[in-house]
Amino acid sequence: EAGVAQSPRYKIIEKRQSVAFWCNPISGHATLYWYQQILGQGPKLLIQFQNNGVVDDSQLPKDRFSAERLKGVDSTLKIQPAKLEDSAVYLCASSSKGQGGGSPLHFGNGTRLTVT
Amino acid sequence: AQSVTQPDIHITVSEGASLELRCNYSYGATPYLFWYVQSPGQGLQLLLKYFSGDTLVQGIKGFEAEFKRSQSSFNLRKPSVHWSDAAEYFCAVGGAAGNKLTFGGGTRVLVKP
Repeated sequence: EAGVAQSPRYKIIEKRQSVAFWCNPISGHATLYWYQQILGQGPKLLIQFQNNGVVDDSQLPKDRFSAERLKGVDSTLKIQPAKLEDSAVYLCASSSKGQGGGSPLHFGNGTRLTVT
Repeated sequence: AQSVTQPDIHITVSEGASLELRCNYSYGATPYLFWYVQSPGQGLQLLLKYFSGDTLVQGIKGFEAEFKRSQSSFNLRKPSVHWSDAAEYFCAVGGAAGNKLTFGGGTRVLVKP
């Protein structure tokens, strides 16, 4: 099966600019996640979708981050305006069920964002 | 709140030697435990998972992990390391379906020839 697709692989922007990341999950996976991985740390969940509804966005900085999954398939994560501390790898993952409950996550290769 | 601690940030091991990575978790109910591996520039790949039953679980690439409830630990082991095992390893804990998966800070493994 095809894996989780993410684009772009790399992005360099200046602070206060905006940026968007795209993710296409594994076909048939209802649950989609966006994680932020800062250098030297483990991934941190930003937002979880079940089909096109948000299940958990408690750690999403909503003043600057937004995400959508309009048709319950692919998803876009946006940052506007970006800050220096947003420099990280943004990982998209999908699973056939809710995470942790027996259905492992399948990760994409991530988008490395550098904010200068 | 759930949390995961991986006490070792870096581990260096000689090729052919054994490897053990430590993981301690905090979770208020029966945990679902995972180990993932991340190679440079790649996403995370699942090595193994524990939900219930036998506390010694086998994974891919010759890895195994042992769940010890009394110690709140889920340590990862491999009897003989290969150079291709050099990567970063993450332990993660979650609960029932829909519950948040929390990752530890990771352990970077370097393999000496």
